[in-house]
Amino acid sequence: DAGITQSPRYKITETGRQVTLMCHQTWSHSYMFWYRQDLGHGLRLIYYSAAADITDKGEVPDGYVVSRSKTENFPLTLESATRSQTSVYFCASNGPSGDTQYFGPGTRLTVL
Amino acid sequence: QKEVEQDPGPLSVPEGAIVSLNCTYSNSAFQYFMWYRQYSRKGPELLMYTYSSGNKEDGRFTAQVDKSSKYISLFIRDSQPSDSATYLCAMSASGNEKLTFGTGTRLTIIP
Repeated sequence: DAGITQSPRYKITETGRQVTLMCHQTWSHSYMFWYRQDLGHGLRLIYYSAAADITDKGEVPDGYVVSRSKTENFPLTLESATRSQTSVYFCASNGPSGDTQYFGPGTRLTVL
Repeated sequence: QKEVEQDPGPLSVPEGAIVSLNCTYSNSAFQYFMWYRQYSRKGPELLMYTYSSGNKEDGRFTAQVDKSSKYISLFIRDSQPSDSATYLCAMSASGNEKLTFGTGTRLTIIP
């Protein structure tokens, strides 16, 4: 029962580089979400997806791009990384019950 | 003003004590209420889930929702050192929708 997996778990990159964070769910449920977690701000929604090929912006989408060609995968791309994007990124899915969210283990991203 | 307010703590209590964690909210459309527990360097883990008003109990944990006051609580009885974590409240108008989170309360149980 893997649930949600994220890769990589840790990533260090430089300003201006493109970075892609991967998220995979084993339930094949419709909704998937990307959050970032920062001290003092809690969890903030970046993008979410209601189904394959359907995505929508959350609270803090600037500088990020998502795609969802397959139900089980929801990658998040930072097109040109900035230091302000240093954060812990969590992927979530609405899980087996369909009515709440379950989170992956997170990716800790540092932009130098 | 934030849609969901949560006291960040930190909160330290002795082992065996009853812990009360709280959140207030302003959006009357919220109907789904959750509590997540997050250990250091881990992802949030769903602890309790309540729909609409009322109480829900699961072992040592009780979640309460008072929609008339826009106030939710999580009680932990017989607290254990393993309960030391950050507790996040979250809520939504629809179960599938994006969740709105509180900033989290850091709890430490002292042996």
